[in-house]
Amino acid sequence: IAGITQAPTSQILAAGRRMTLRCTQDMRHNAMYWYRQDLGLGLRLIHYSNTAGTTGKGEVPDGYSVSRANTDDFPLTLASAVPSQTSVYFCASSPASEMNTGELFFGEGSRLTVL
Amino acid sequence: GQNIDQPTEMTATEGAIVQINCTYQTSGFNGLFWYQQHAGEAPTFLSYNVLDGLEEKGRFSSFLSRSKGYSYLLLKELQMKDSASYLCAGADSNYQLIWGAGTKLIIKP
Repeated sequence: IAGITQAPTSQILAAGRRMTLRCTQDMRHNAMYWYRQDLGLGLRLIHYSNTAGTTGKGEVPDGYSVSRANTDDFPLTLASAVPSQTSVYFCASSPASEMNTGELFFGEGSRLTVL
Repeated sequence: GQNIDQPTEMTATEGAIVQINCTYQTSGFNGLFWYQQHAGEAPTFLSYNVLDGLEEKGRFSSFLSRSKGYSYLLLKELQMKDSASYLCAGADSNYQLIWGAGTKLIIKP
């Protein structure tokens, strides 16, 4: 049982480079999310998708983009990485529909360091 | 604004009981979640409260008071494996989660 798979697990990146964090789920969940987690702060929502073909902006979307071409995949792209994007990134999914909050299932996280 | 407050760190003894408090302010309210996160790992779901009262699930219980904007997580018969961060999150009127910074629980033998 895979659940949610994120890749890479860890990455060091030079500032200005483009980077895509991959996220795949095999639970056929409608909703998917990208969060970043920084020391001393709560999880902050970057982007979300309530269903395939739709995406929305979260609390901290600047510098990030997402796509949801199908149910399973929800990649997060940093077009031109900056040091403030150094963080641990978590992808999550939920069986919830648009107007319901269900339990979130998280991937193992991607630790990104931008130098 | 929207805000979740919880203590930064707590220490407890193996076998004892600990209560982790959380106060919330959200635009609308659609429930309160607790997640457990071991160091270096992903958060995992513990509980969800949307009505006032206590929900018991084995050694863990969660309480909600909507009138007070308050919740707590109660952990009984503490085990060393309970050493983790406990994240409180409130769902707002748009069903988006607002997360607290987490409470790091240290269990001592």
